[in-house]
Amino acid sequence: DAGVTQSPTHLIKTRGQQVTLRCSPKSGHDTVSWYQQALGQGPQFIFQYYEEEERQRGNFPDRFSGHQFPNYSSELNVNALLLGDSALYLCASSLLDRMGSYEQYFGPGTRLTVT
Amino acid sequence: EDQVTQSPEALRLQEGESSSLNCSYTVSGLRGLFWYRQDPGKGPEFLFTLYSAGEEKEKERLKATLTKKESFLHITAPKPEDSATYLCAVRTDSWGKLQFGAGTQVVVTP
Repeated sequence: DAGVTQSPTHLIKTRGQQVTLRCSPKSGHDTVSWYQQALGQGPQFIFQYYEEEERQRGNFPDRFSGHQFPNYSSELNVNALLLGDSALYLCASSLLDRMGSYEQYFGPGTRLTVT
Repeated sequence: EDQVTQSPEALRLQEGESSSLNCSYTVSGLRGLFWYRQDPGKGPEFLFTLYSAGEEKEKERLKATLTKKESFLHITAPKPEDSATYLCAVRTDSWGKLQFGAGTQVVVTP
């Protein structure tokens, strides 16, 4: 059973450029969440996708956008990159269950460096 | 505003020396407290979910407990392979957004 996969593993971009990160959820999962983790900190929630729509969003600017495809995979796009966007970007997948019993499983992350 | 605080920030243990990590939270309606383990440069690995005060869960040398204000992760007779950063997170809504603490970095020496 394949877990959550993310690509690329590492990425180096220049300030002002745009980047797209990709995520494939764990088999059977229909919800994808994205998190940003700066060095030495816990992950910060960016947004969550379910049924191809953004369902929740954290305190991130509109430069951060996403998409979910019919096969549940997802992309995270960041425009006009800033030095402060350098971080580990984590994708987590889950099976949405409003009765409360579900867990988010994380991928290995994409390390983005902005120079 | 919801808050999740982990202590200590770092913990250095001798192999076999048991200890506990703390996760205190102030939230408006807990709908799950999660513990994850994270190795350097990798994604968090799911360990436990706790839903109500008094609940306990165990996995190998790890045991997680939950009260109305905090959770503890007990590490019994740790081994060097238990070295990692341990993260706790809370969920407060039905959609599942997780709010994480900053983590406790654990180093276990032989």
